[in-house]
This record gives sequence, structure tokens and C-alpha cells, in this order.
Amino acid sequence: QKEVEQDPGPLSVPEGAIVSLNCTYSNSAFQYFMWYRQYSRKGPELLMYTYSSGNKEDGRFTAQVDKSSKYISLFIRDSQPSDSATYLCAMNNQGGKLIFGQGTELSVKP
Amino acid sequence: NAGVTQTPKFQVLKTGQSMTLQCAQDMNHNSMYWYRQDPGMGLRLIYYSASEGTTDKGEVPNGYNVSRLNKREFSLRLESAAPSQTSVYFCASSELSGQPLSSLTVQYFGAGTRLSVL
Repeated sequence: QKEVEQDPGPLSVPEGAIVSLNCTYSNSAFQYFMWYRQYSRKGPELLMYTYSSGNKEDGRFTAQVDKSSKYISLFIRDSQPSDSATYLCAMNNQGGKLIFGQGTELSVKP
Repeated sequence: NAGVTQTPKFQVLKTGQSMTLQCAQDMNHNSMYWYRQDPGMGLRLIYYSASEGTTDKGEVPNGYNVSRLNKREFSLRLESAAPSQTSVYFCASSELSGQPLSSLTVQYFGAGTRLSVL
């Protein structure tokens, strides 16, 4: 079993929809949780990060962590065609090395 | 703002050939990383260098070697390429490794090298 599981999709939604992207993990030592966005044929770039349980909001994006369930989510409100990308969750402990999910491919249709 | 630069962008090799993937960063970061990305597998760490002069194995190091040439440059070498090494390779850097998460541990990625081994 992988340490981090993420539904690879693809996920297709109409413009303006609310998108929910999710990851589950098995290592209770993980403390830091990140979401990276990767456009086609580009490298990943950090979108948001959170520490421990709770929510963090940044514009149309909200990251949520539930450590009791070992479950993290990224919500995108009012999704735009420019949000079309692959979204990767990543997490680590104080060791510093990141463990990535498989990535979810999102397509937002105009 | 170049950030992390990888060369080449594309490469086709025959089984058994060798090659070196180059990576350079201009952000004065201490830590550098090599990942491979395969469909359905996400990003997997091959090797990393926490600081100049040190290198350590990641999750999938077999078949690869690395050199941290100086603070800016971190190269990945395939001595005898195999079809299983067909992948997209990403280099990344961060200011610090092994520390509690902060803006200093954010990893910045290059655009990738697409490698096919026939």
C-alpha cells in the first residue's frame, strides 16, 4: 500500500463549479501537507501548504486537513479554465523529504 | 528569474547508452533533489543533496548516480540506460532540508527532462 493515495482522475467539470480534490495517507507522523499544481509539460509549483489539522484559505482555494481520518482535501471555488492542471498532494515530517500522491488531472470546461 | 534550469529538455537513448542530466539553480539554495514522474506513480525521489558535498539515496536510486558539483549544480547520471528508465525527470531545490516546514523548505522545480530509452 502506498503511503499517500490520490485518485488520478481525470476529473472534468464545467466552469464555475466547486472542485474537491482529495488524498489519504497512512503515516501518522506526517505533519506538513502541501498541494502542488502542475501544468502540462511544466514542473510542479507549490499552491498551498498547511501544518497539522485545520483549514487554510487563499483566494478561491481552501486546503483542509483531518489528521484523525488521515485525509486531506483541496477545494477550488468558482473554477476557471486556467485551473486545468494536475494537482499533486505532498506531505512530510521533520525529515524534510516529500512523499507525493499520484496526482489528479483536472479539466475545467468553458 | 531562471530558477531551476534542466538540460536537455528531451532525449532519446538506446538501451545500454549512458547520459547525464544537468540541473542548475540560481536561488542560492542549499538542498537539491532529483525525481522521476511516471503515469499513475506520482513523483518519486531518486537522490537528494541536503547541502554541498553530501548526497543521499531516495526511494528509487537503482541505476542512477548523482554528483553535487557545487552549490548551484546537481547532475544525474544513467550509466547504462534501460527501458524502465523511460520517464520525465525533475530537478528541484530548496533553501533548507530536514527542517520544520517554512518558506525555506518549499521545493522549486525545473521544467523537466523527457527521456525515452528504446
